[in-house]
Amino acid sequence: RKEVEQDPGPFNVPEGATVAFNCTYSNSASQSFFWYRQDCRKEPKLLMSVYSSGNEDGRFTAQLNRASQYISLLIRDSKLSDSATYLCVVSSFNQAGTALIFGKGTTLSVSS
Amino acid sequence: GAVVSQHPSWVICKSGTSVKIECRSLDFQATTMFWYRQFPKQSLMLMATSNEGSKATYEQGVEKDKFLINHASLTLSTLTVTSAHPEDSSFYICSARSGGAQPQHFGDGTRLSIL
Repeated sequence: RKEVEQDPGPFNVPEGATVAFNCTYSNSASQSFFWYRQDCRKEPKLLMSVYSSGNEDGRFTAQLNRASQYISLLIRDSKLSDSATYLCVVSSFNQAGTALIFGKGTTLSVSS
Repeated sequence: GAVVSQHPSWVICKSGTSVKIECRSLDFQATTMFWYRQFPKQSLMLMATSNEGSKATYEQGVEKDKFLINHASLTLSTLTVTSAHPEDSSFYICSARSGGAQPQHFGDGTRLSIL
């Protein structure tokens, strides 16, 4: 089983739509959780951290359920500029310390 | 904000060539640097973790003699792909952080194409 699993999509939505992405992780000892955004042929950029209490940043809301090892990202009022791949990322211990483990990403395409 | 510079951004080489990629933290001291590889439509896969002044720790399945990592200073780590072959063609990305609890900052990535 992969450490971090996501639905690859693609999700094709019109502008203004609300879209939700899900992610599950296998290592119950994982400590920190993030959503990153990656544009085509670019490096990943941190979108937001994810906390058990849930957190919101403008149109973006992230949720974490540690019991079910599940992470979600909700995007409201989608914009064309939201088109990208969204990576679910988990921080876990490995033999070298802590490292980020990336999901395969969910592709979002927002159209006018 | 913290900046990580990666160079070169694009490399095209003949098979058998060795290629060196540099990763520099420009405005902070990076005690730990990470090297990732990403094949098309795949996730970023951690190749190795490099702590300044010590040998890199490689992930399972990554050949340490093939991918040489040097982290000789707090601002520079290098990845050398030795005797590169077409199957090594990929997007290589480094990241760096200043401490265990600090966020990782990513370089722009290096697109390696081996002919």
